[in-house]
Amino acid sequence: NAGVMQNPRHLVRRRGQEARLRCSPMKGHSHVYWYRQLPEEGLKFMVYLQKENIIDESGMPKERFSAEFPKEGPSILRIQQVVRGDSAAYFCASSPLNTGELFFGEGSRLTVL
Amino acid sequence: QQQVKQSPQSLIVQKGGISIINCAYENTAFDYFPWYQQFPGKGPALLIAIRPDVSEKKEGRFTISFNKSAKQFSLHIMDSQPGDSATYFCAAQGGATNKLIFGTGTLLAVQP
Repeated sequence: NAGVMQNPRHLVRRRGQEARLRCSPMKGHSHVYWYRQLPEEGLKFMVYLQKENIIDESGMPKERFSAEFPKEGPSILRIQQVVRGDSAAYFCASSPLNTGELFFGEGSRLTVL
Repeated sequence: QQQVKQSPQSLIVQKGGISIINCAYENTAFDYFPWYQQFPGKGPALLIAIRPDVSEKKEGRFTISFNKSAKQFSLHIMDSQPGDSATYFCAAQGGATNKLIFGTGTLLAVQP
């Protein structure tokens, strides 16, 4: 059973471009979470999704950021018009239920030039 | 808004010593308290977890102590080894959407 798969692992964008980060949860997991990690700031919750539904987006910036988890295919975190402050590691996690252990991917590291 | 406060930010322990990391939470709706371990370049992985109906849980060299009245919990690593060198995150889960909120992390270095 493959773990949580994130791609790309590394992404470089120039200011103003768009970044798309993909996350395929573990087989049988219907709950997906996105976190952002900055040095010395820990893991910041961004959004929690179930298939086709956003359950909690309280950690998402109001502008430029969006997330989806379609019925088919991976979850996507989209950042439009990136700025240097968006440079961070973005982690996706999945779970079979909305309680208990989260299984994390290895992250996507975004660098904005 | 920091709902889970973690200390210390970094910790250096000699091999064989005890590593202790502390966390405090504010939201009484939290009902699940895991600790995650993260190595450089990797995603966090669950190490050990506790629910508030018990005051202590032990798995091998790792123990969680939980004080519900003080809203505090801590991780103890006995006989610390260089392979334990990693960043440790406490977390708390609960509330309306049951999301998992993390502390800011503790960078542990175990010196041989």
